[in-house]
Amino acid sequence: QVQLMESGPGLVQPSETLSLTCTVSGFSLTSYNVHWVRQPPGKGLEWMGVMWSGGSTDYNSALKSRLSISRDTSKNQVFLKMNSLQSEDTTTYYCARGEGYGGFWFAYWGQGTLVTVSS
Amino acid sequence: DIQMTQSPASLSASLGETVTIECRASEDIYNGLAWYQQKPGKSPQLLIYNANSLHTGVPSRFSGSGSGTQYSLKINSLQSEDVASYFCQQYYNYPYTFGAGTKLELK
Repeated sequence: QVQLMESGPGLVQPSETLSLTCTVSGFSLTSYNVHWVRQPPGKGLEWMGVMWSGGSTDYNSALKSRLSISRDTSKNQVFLKMNSLQSEDTTTYYCARGEGYGGFWFAYWGQGTLVTVSS
Repeated sequence: DIQMTQSPASLSASLGETVTIECRASEDIYNGLAWYQQKPGKSPQLLIYNANSLHTGVPSRFSGSGSGTQYSLKINSLQSEDVASYFCQQYYNYPYTFGAGTKLELK
């Protein structure tokens, strides 16, 4: 069945770079796009960016200068890197598979990984 | 960016009651709207897509409607397991944006 699983460090120092991995199973990264969404504790959701099935990416303009998404199709993994982390980047990070055509909703989500930015 | 204004922010209702949550987009999103349910410590779960299409396995007491800039999620005959937060998401244009959420509690 379709599964996504985020992994990464739970704690990152301010101004450092965050590296997260989304490992997927049950589908091919060359057939589906994978999005990153984050959620501060007790707050709403923010779409961060997408790795398209063709290998290109799109980013939320609010994060674009700090964000990079890549993938390794042989390992079924999508990677998120974000630099210059600050306290407001303390959130739960999710990866999700996009469904639809043209515009995409999210039927499958990872369990999320909480990242705390603190010294 | 398209702003999604969701209301109410919180809602208290009784078992068996019908509740409605609304989302207003800052521009026409042409039914590019999804609704999610999220329980504490869990990932969001898709309920509705394309404004009114029920996701597989979602109980039929959930329904979505609307068009243009105004959309709503209705829960008929509220059950205890419906206690959760609910979010709308527009996917008509990038960046995708979400409503701030509605926290639904039992009265």
